[in-house]
Amino acid sequence: DTGVSQDPRHKITKRGQNVTFRCDPISEHNRLYWYRQTLGQGPEFLTYFQNEAQLEKSRLLSDRFSAERPKGSFSTLEIQRTEQGDSAMYLCASSLARGNTGELFFGEGSRLTVL
Amino acid sequence: GESVGLHLPTLSVQEGDNSIINCAYSNSASDYFIWYKQESGKGPQFIIDIRSNMDKRQGQRVTVLLNKTVKHLSLQIAATQPGDSAVYFCAENMGGGFKTIFGAGTRLFVKA
Repeated sequence: DTGVSQDPRHKITKRGQNVTFRCDPISEHNRLYWYRQTLGQGPEFLTYFQNEAQLEKSRLLSDRFSAERPKGSFSTLEIQRTEQGDSAMYLCASSLARGNTGELFFGEGSRLTVL
Repeated sequence: GESVGLHLPTLSVQEGDNSIINCAYSNSASDYFIWYKQESGKGPQFIIDIRSNMDKRQGQRVTVLLNKTVKHLSLQIAATQPGDSAVYFCAENMGGGFKTIFGAGTRLFVKA
């Protein structure tokens, strides 16, 4: 399978713990995005990378959230001191910058439950 | 701030009928408008997009209509099938896929 891969698919943690999600984009895609989705809502933009550079961060991304894409390939999203309000599906997507219009390729997401 | 929203949260259609899902947007500067389909437990999947200088685009069994005068977007699905049951999101961006903003979604139920 050469699509976007996310790991883990499910994570249950206690409030106050740190969690990290990994995203492996489609190999030739230089753009990588993180979105958060809660039940019944559309995905909310969190942050975006072009190669290894993080070009924009949403105000939704508090100081407890950090994302990296160190070598311009895979990316990690870390949430420190998790809160119950962080419970959501965290979606990663990738795309090509060249000639790209509207299409994002999404992974199947990492579902976080904070107890 | 800018937002993309939908008129109806759920839509129920008979198998074989045509479906029309509507969406309102507010950012006149958006270059591309996109429809995504999301099945349960999966990430959104691109269906079709339309550039702001077009008013209609057709794909396989789907048509997207854009009315910039009233900032309205619609997705028409011909001969709706059970496999079309999903949540449909409209979305917009400024071009190049950068910072795509999604609406809340419409759930489509297809009755056999």
